[in-house]
Amino acid sequence: EPEVTQTPSHQVTQMGQEVILRCVPISNHLYFYWYRQILGQKVEFLVSFYNNEISEKSEIFDDQFSVERPDGSNFTLKIRSTKLEDSAMYFCASSETGTAFIYGYTFGSGTRLTVV
Amino acid sequence: AQTVTQSQPEMSVQEAETVTLSCTYDTSESDYYLFWYKQPPSRQMILVIRQEAYKQQNATENRFSVNFQKAAKSFSLKISDSQLGDAAMYFCAYRSLGNDMRFGAGTRLTVKP
Repeated sequence: EPEVTQTPSHQVTQMGQEVILRCVPISNHLYFYWYRQILGQKVEFLVSFYNNEISEKSEIFDDQFSVERPDGSNFTLKIRSTKLEDSAMYFCASSETGTAFIYGYTFGSGTRLTVV
Repeated sequence: AQTVTQSQPEMSVQEAETVTLSCTYDTSESDYYLFWYKQPPSRQMILVIRQEAYKQQNATENRFSVNFQKAAKSFSLKISDSQLGDAAMYFCAYRSLGNDMRFGAGTRLTVKP
């Protein structure tokens, strides 16, 4: 069964440093998403991406965040200057186009980001 | 804004018994979709079951079924014949056309042998 792949599984970074979280969505999916989950809390929407541009973003997704699809397979989330409160599990997800949105998203296994 | 509420932070069930996890949501949309996701200790988000709002028939998927009450905006998940592998966080989620998925706070399910 097709999978969404995220790397790395765990990243530790110093406060103020830039991090890039990587995702390889399912190959025929055209909609991409980032969610985050602070330990023990709910899964929160960050951003959705379609046709090489952001289609929606939440209030969490401020200027320190950016997303990019640098090639035909990768989808990245960049955090420019990490803060302690950015420590969380970050999930990438993808979905098909059109009416297939009803089938929900396929999530990756997540990247645990720890900011020290 | 759409909100999803899961009022049970934790639930427990005896192995082989049945448990029901509650979820309510708030929306002004008429066309939307509801989902239950399972998050085991591996942290992966796994789709368990989904329901189209326009369908009156409750969705079932093997031991998992939902009780969808559209007027009450309620979407509970019933797990029958609970197994140890069902132990996980369960998230209720909502999505309407043109919007992205929103999750509830989750319910941690413990299965006792």
